[in-house]
Amino acid sequence: AQSVTQLDSHVSVSEGTPVLLRCNYSSSYSPSLFWYVQHPNKGLQLLLKYTSAATLVKGINGFEAEFKKSETSFHLTKPSAHMSDAAEYFCVVSDQRYSGGGADGLTFGKGTHLIIQP
Amino acid sequence: NAGVTQTPKFQVLKTGQSMTLQCAQDMNHEYMSWYRQDPGMGLRLIHYSVGAGITDQGEVPNGYNVSRSTTEDFPLRLLSAAPSQTSVYFCASSERMRNSPLHFGNGTRLTVT
Repeated sequence: AQSVTQLDSHVSVSEGTPVLLRCNYSSSYSPSLFWYVQHPNKGLQLLLKYTSAATLVKGINGFEAEFKKSETSFHLTKPSAHMSDAAEYFCVVSDQRYSGGGADGLTFGKGTHLIIQP
Repeated sequence: NAGVTQTPKFQVLKTGQSMTLQCAQDMNHEYMSWYRQDPGMGLRLIHYSVGAGITDQGEVPNGYNVSRSTTEDFPLRLLSAAPSQTSVYFCASSERMRNSPLHFGNGTRLTVT
């Protein structure tokens, strides 16, 4: 069985300050991990993914995440927040046993709402 | 590039009514899926399909039906709407490849009164 926990339901930062969104996972197999972003009234969009290559993964819009197996974490960071970063962020774990891209192998976190203060 | 298109964007139903949420993708993706999103609960998988003619149940399939007659289309049917089905529904598609990202539509906001 696999699971994912997003440790904060809401995070508020000031524009220009660093962003940290925390995600812990549990998986019996070598997992793949993803971060998706959802802007208001939109569908989810892939930010970045980890698939057992480099542990530091760079994504779009200046975001990056580091896979730490010893801590079972995959936290999302950005050095300097922008107003356009205000959105909901989802951490997703994929069981590597699943050979395809099927949705049945994915587990979504409950989301973290990122608020950017001017 | 249209990507994943969902219609309608908004819908209000009365309890007991039926309706179909439409989903179409133009990326020739084999995998398609339906999720519902409720506050504080993330996304929950309703049904999914690994190709035309093949569907399977996800985490919360009760009250919903799907079919996949073509690669492009994956409609979701509510058989007899209930207030508990008030939610935002998302359709997604992906390639048949390990770790392929999901491509989402913009959602259908459904209210059942």
